[in-house]
Parts: sequence; C-alpha cells; structure tokens
Amino acid sequence: DTGVSQNPRHKITKRGQNVTFRCDPISEHNRLYWYRQTLGQGPEFLTYFQNEAQLEKSRLLSDRFSAERPKGSFSTLEIQRTEQGDSAMYLCASSPRGEQFFGPGTRLTVL
Amino acid sequence: GQNIDQPTEMTATEGAIVQINCTYQTSGFNGLFWYQQHAGEAPTFLSYNVLDGLEEKGRFSSFLSRSKGYSYLLLKELQMKDSASYLCAVRDQAGNMLTFGGGTRLMVKP
Repeated sequence: DTGVSQNPRHKITKRGQNVTFRCDPISEHNRLYWYRQTLGQGPEFLTYFQNEAQLEKSRLLSDRFSAERPKGSFSTLEIQRTEQGDSAMYLCASSPRGEQFFGPGTRLTVL
Repeated sequence: GQNIDQPTEMTATEGAIVQINCTYQTSGFNGLFWYQQHAGEAPTFLSYNVLDGLEEKGRFSSFLSRSKGYSYLLLKELQMKDSASYLCAVRDQAGNMLTFGGGTRLMVKP
C-alpha cells in the first residue's frame, strides 16, 4: 500500500496524559499537513511542513500541541496534558504540490 | 480569513442528479477542491477548480465562478454508494493550507 498511513488508528487516553500520533506520507510527497476533524464538521487545518521545515504552525490549537518532521519523511503530532475537548479525529495529508491525499486518521478519545 | 458555506444535508433518489452548492468569502484564493468522505473514513479527492468553468470527470462535475465566490458539485446517475459527506475546500493564496466547509451529508434513497 503506497498511500498515507497513520498510527495508531485509535487511541483512548485519560485526561492529563500525553499522546503522540505518527504519519507516514506518500514517499515522494514533500508537503505534509495535519488536520483535526470533529463529528459533523469539516477538517480543520493545524499545521504544515515542506520537507522538514514547519512553515505554518499558527493554527495549532494551543501550546499543548506540537508537531515535528525531523528528516522530512514521517511526522509526529503530540498533544500534552490532554483534555476532553481534544477528542476528535486527527488526519494527516501529503501532497506533491496540489491535491492533498489523506490518511485514514487517528481517532482520539480522552476520558 | 476564509468563510465557506454549504448545506448541511441533502437527500436525493437513486438514478437522479444532485447539485451541492458551496459559497466562499476569502482573503486569498488559489483553487477550490471537492472531497468525498464516507462515515469513519478519510476524505478522498474528487475534483479541483482554479479557473472559472466546468470540470467534468465521469459522473462528477464541478463548477467555479471566482467573481461570485461560488462553486457546485454535480453528481449524475446517483448510486447508493454516493451516500457520503461532500466537503468543499478553498486553498489559500500561498497554496499552503485548505480551509474546509462543514460538509454536506448526502443521503441517496432507493
């Protein structure tokens, strides 16, 4: 399978814990995006990388959210001190330039 | 910023044609995308418009009018499997991010 992959697919955690999600983009895509989607809503842009450079991070929801793409390949999204309001689907997408290809997402449930 | 509006829900009959509208107000524009999303799955790309006019791809067509801030997605010969959410998204001027509308949930009935 050469599509975008995300791990884990589901994560249940207790409030206050830290969580980290991984995204592996399509190999030749240099652009990588993170989105959050809540039920009944469209995806909400969080951050964007071109290769290893994080070019847009002003839309990260709070300073508890951070993302990295250390070698310009896979990326991680970390949420520290999770809150119940963080429960959502976290989507990753990659792109060579135009169309964005989405991964299956990680569904986070904060108890 | 970007503001994107589309109807929340629509219902149509198998075999019919349905048009899903999207209006947007943006501070910058570098293309409009339509995605399909089945429940619990990732969005999948349907179409892209950057110039005014109609783009046709099989049973799906998308139209754009930049002066009116308006697009529509046209689905012909509806099938039950077309029941899904349809997301309109505008790309910013720099081409770095998509802003999505809330999605239109389409229900196709026999």
